Amino acid sequence: ETGVTQTPRHLVMGMTNKKSLKCEQHLGHNAMYWYKQSAKKPLELMFVYSLEERVENNSVPSRFSPECPNSSHLFLHLHTLQPEDSALYLCASSQLLGDTGELFFGEGSRLTVL
Amino acid sequence: GQNIDQPTEMTATEGAIVQINCTYQTSGFNGLFWYQQHAGEAPTFLSYNVLDGLEEKGRFSSFLSRSKGYSYLLLKELQMKDSASYLCACMDSNYQLIWGAGTKLIIKP
Repeated sequence: ETGVTQTPRHLVMGMTNKKSLKCEQHLGHNAMYWYKQSAKKPLELMFVYSLEERVENNSVPSRFSPECPNSSHLFLHLHTLQPEDSALYLCASSQLLGDTGELFFGEGSRLTVL
Repeated sequence: GQNIDQPTEMTATEGAIVQINCTYQTSGFNGLFWYQQHAGEAPTFLSYNVLDGLEEKGRFSSFLSRSKGYSYLLLKELQMKDSASYLCACMDSNYQLIWGAGTKLIIKP
């Protein structure tokens, strides 16, 4: 199994739909992250969880709602999205929050909002 | 404000050497990372520098100068598979990662 797995890989949704992105890590890490990646822009950190507690919410619109039921799983619930939310959503994990260890990324969920 | 600058795109020839530069301005410094991201794939860790100097890892080397706020990634003996985006990221005093927009490297035969 790969270290960090994201599903679905591709998602097309209308502005009124509700969908969820799922992330699972098999590395025994304690910190998990959601990033947004748009073309030619830096990675934008959206949410951070450490030991299943949210520790960071970088002014993300409420139409994005994270959930971390346990240290291995992370969800991003989507509702009433806008076309500008179309992007690649990357999940990542690290051993600990606030250390200098590397991040392990999933391959991302490519979201298109019509 | 905090900022990372790196070129948007570079082109190099198979077998040659290429240097990708990254300059940074951050609140404090706890190291600099380089990641590689092939199109449609996950970013993967390449290197971490926290002390000045050059660190070599096979065909890839990473250099850091903290006094100049500058790093580079050096790729030798380029192969077609090295075509990818290279992301520079700095860790600030709060251990937050500040990312550059990435450099798309195109390798030509």
